[in-house]
Amino acid sequence: GQNIDQPTEMTATEGAIVQINCSYQTSGFNGQFWYQQHAGEAPTFLSYNVLDGLEEKGRFSSFLSRSKGYSYLLLKELQMKDSASYLCAVTDSNYQLIWGAGTKLIIKP
Amino acid sequence: GAVVSQHPSWVICKSGTSVKIECRSLDFQATTMFWYRQFPKQSLMLMATSNEGSKATYEQGVEKDKFLINHASLTLSTLTVTSAHPEDSSFYICSASSDSASSYEQYFGPGTRLTVT
Repeated sequence: GQNIDQPTEMTATEGAIVQINCSYQTSGFNGQFWYQQHAGEAPTFLSYNVLDGLEEKGRFSSFLSRSKGYSYLLLKELQMKDSASYLCAVTDSNYQLIWGAGTKLIIKP
Repeated sequence: GAVVSQHPSWVICKSGTSVKIECRSLDFQATTMFWYRQFPKQSLMLMATSNEGSKATYEQGVEKDKFLINHASLTLSTLTVTSAHPEDSSFYICSASSDSASSYEQYFGPGTRLTVT
């Protein structure tokens, strides 16, 4: 079966750095996404990785290792507004998007 | 950037009635649209995938006769919840993809919160 694992909840301090991990097992691979979702709102796109390596975009960076079936989202200089759920998703060989359950990130002052 | 709108943003209806939710891609042609449902504190659950001009493909466990999807044009898809019941109360989100060469990113609408009383 297809499966995406990510921690249910994480807590971090304002100004710090946090890494949210995602492991996946899918039938084929055509890209990996990270989305941010604030409570009561639709997800918003953060990153897309299809090649191995680190992609940096401002305070957020995303890493992918296809051989290990692993990705992480790195958030730097955390702000209170970063409190949200972070969803890992992978596109399989049929270009269907498989979603993780999301990681709820709690930022404390 | 790519913008997707949904209407209405929230709706309250009585049990047994039908509700139609519209999803529009405002500045691009959406070859594929997706409908998701999200219950509180749970992840997105894909309900169906629709391509313009063809019948929607429903996920296992989703009743196609209850959740009618129409993708009549490259900018509009509608989801009709027929004979709604309280257990259908949920956050319904659509997304659209243009199948660009560089990414299969999905652009999400703001969601529609449905409450069935």
